[in-house]
Amino acid sequence: DTEVTQTPKHLVMGMTNKKSLKCEQHMGHRAMYWYKQKAKKPPELMFVYSYEKLSINESVPSRFSPECPNSSLLNLHLHALQPEDSALYLCASSQDRGGGGEQFFGPGTRLTVL
Amino acid sequence: EDKVVQSPLSLVVHEGDTVTLNCSYEVTNFRSLLWYKQEKKAPTFLFMLTSSGIEKKSGRLSSILDKKELFSILNITATQTGDSAIYLCAVDGSLRGSTLGRLYFGRGTQLTVWP
Repeated sequence: DTEVTQTPKHLVMGMTNKKSLKCEQHMGHRAMYWYKQKAKKPPELMFVYSYEKLSINESVPSRFSPECPNSSLLNLHLHALQPEDSALYLCASSQDRGGGGEQFFGPGTRLTVL
Repeated sequence: EDKVVQSPLSLVVHEGDTVTLNCSYEVTNFRSLLWYKQEKKAPTFLFMLTSSGIEKKSGRLSSILDKKELFSILNITATQTGDSAIYLCAVDGSLRGSTLGRLYFGRGTQLTVWP
């Protein structure tokens, strides 16, 4: 299995909703990432987990809350989002223990906040 | 301030043309440079380069890294309409004072290939 899966593919939510994005990989990778990508911009790093521990938080607002329940799963919990948070949310994983390196991306979740 | 700069930002060619995409970078503790192709959804991995002067090839695509001059190029020969995409360059390294373990992405080159 050489892919990263993400659910849901699309999500529409109101500003008062609570929702979660899920990401899964079965490649034995020990680093996992969340990125946010706005239209016509490159992916922006949000969080890095290395060996299931949060190693990088790029000063992301607390309305985004990551969770890594085990080495294969990564969640992003969303609460009280703003319309400007609408974007493509990408999950990635890599084998590198220190993070970085060759990252494999999931198909993304297209999030719209009304 | 961009640490990974790609050029051109946009390129329109006809099928059969050869294109060269550029990526220059400025990071400390350089570990590798990666090229990705992004169509509608997620970036798909093309190449990872760690050593200068060694060309990597995959079909009509090839790439090379120059660690002395801090740049890389991605060549696509005999372009096809299916090559139309955004090509992203990313560098695995760290900026002064930051933690290792992330990719720094350039803004991408939007390639359009007309039939």
